[in-house]
Amino acid sequence: KAGVTQTPRYLIKTRGQQVTLSCSPISGHRSVSWYQQTPGQGLQFLFEYFSETQRNKGNFPGRFSGRQFSNSRSEMNVSTLELGDSALYLCASSIGLAGSSDTQYFGPGTRLTVL
Amino acid sequence: AQKVTQAQTEISVVEKEDVTLDCVYETRDTTYYLFWYKQPPSGELVFLIRRNSFDEQNEISGRYSWNFQKSTSSFNFTITASQVVDSAVYFCALSEGGTGGFKTIFGAGTRLFVKA
Repeated sequence: KAGVTQTPRYLIKTRGQQVTLSCSPISGHRSVSWYQQTPGQGLQFLFEYFSETQRNKGNFPGRFSGRQFSNSRSEMNVSTLELGDSALYLCASSIGLAGSSDTQYFGPGTRLTVL
Repeated sequence: AQKVTQAQTEISVVEKEDVTLDCVYETRDTTYYLFWYKQPPSGELVFLIRRNSFDEQNEISGRYSWNFQKSTSSFNFTITASQVVDSAVYFCALSEGGTGGFKTIFGAGTRLFVKA
């Protein structure tokens, strides 16, 4: 079974631009969660989507948004990029809601650099 | 509030040494789940183990073992006879439910260096 895939793997953007990252979960998984990983803040939860609905959200500004499609694929968007948005963005999928008895499986991440 | 503390920022050992990574958590829920993940240099988090709050049995998987003690809110991870391939960052995570849905938080991670 294929694992979680994320595209693109690397991105370089400039301040003020917007970016869209994509995540394809493991087949059969309905939940997709997004995390931001930085050296200073560690792994921080962004949001979770389940059955095309946002079920949970972390403490991030409204510039960070996401959506999930009927095939469970998810995208996250960051508008008006700031230097501090440079990070590794990790996507995780699980069969049910993340944090329940279901385990989250992570993708390889998208490394975003904002110049 | 949820909290996961991995007090060891970095650990360096020589191959074949045993090493224990500490994890202490805080939660008000009686039902929760604990996880360990490994993050090699490639960046992808690799799932190692999941434990629910009602199962305090220790677990051994090859060279890996986990010690869950609710009395001390700890979920420690031991690697026996460490190998260079064990070099990675290890994260402990806690998930608990609530009216807002389940949330998972991660500890800051422990970077393990295993030298040949």
